Amino acid sequence: GESVGLHLPTLSVQEGDNSIINCAYSNSASDYFIWYKQESGKGPQFIIDIRSNMDKRQGQRVTVLLNKTVKHLSLQIAATQPGDSAVYFCAENYGNTGKLIFGQGTTLQVKP
Amino acid sequence: AAGVIQSPRHLIKEKRETATLKCYPIPRHDTVYWYQQGPGQDPQFLISFYEKMQSDKGSIPDRFSAQQFSDYHSELNMSSLELGDSALYFCASSLQRTKQYFGPGTRLTVT
Repeated sequence: GESVGLHLPTLSVQEGDNSIINCAYSNSASDYFIWYKQESGKGPQFIIDIRSNMDKRQGQRVTVLLNKTVKHLSLQIAATQPGDSAVYFCAENYGNTGKLIFGQGTTLQVKP
Repeated sequence: AAGVIQSPRHLIKEKRETATLKCYPIPRHDTVYWYQQGPGQDPQFLISFYEKMQSDKGSIPDRFSAQQFSDYHSELNMSSLELGDSALYFCASSLQRTKQYFGPGTRLTVT
């Protein structure tokens, strides 16, 4: 399953399928990007990050892709599990202050 | 591993009252950030501190102030509370402004 654009806030996938969550960021000067997972009532949990000098980074079951030409970021989750159900936010940072600008979250629902 | 600690976890205040939220960063982290998250919204940056000095300021109302102390913990002081201040308030910490780790948040309800 895949989310498209900023205005499709919910992605529903079958357990075991791959998920793709998309994000368009706002500032072409942003040089650092992070994906966070937020479960209901909890704080955002770091998933994976990528710097602007890279276009792909892999973690455990997750991959982040960065396309600076179109200011697009995506998070791929392999073999999605029920525990992956949460809201996913992308965040961008530019400059040295560390301030993060969050994108609109996407709710991932995993059907057993 | 130690995480960011926030207190209190829940807080109920009336309009025009004051509130103080506390944040204890991960040990050895030198940067603290505050974010506000309204219902169904993404976190909005309020303010940050690096080595006890304010390093950046976002959409923080003038009624709010914050500081970072010598032990690196931070406090967010909120005065003349309004209904619209009801939200989750997150603190995050990092080492030298690298990846940020978030605390569990304080849920503030203003009635």
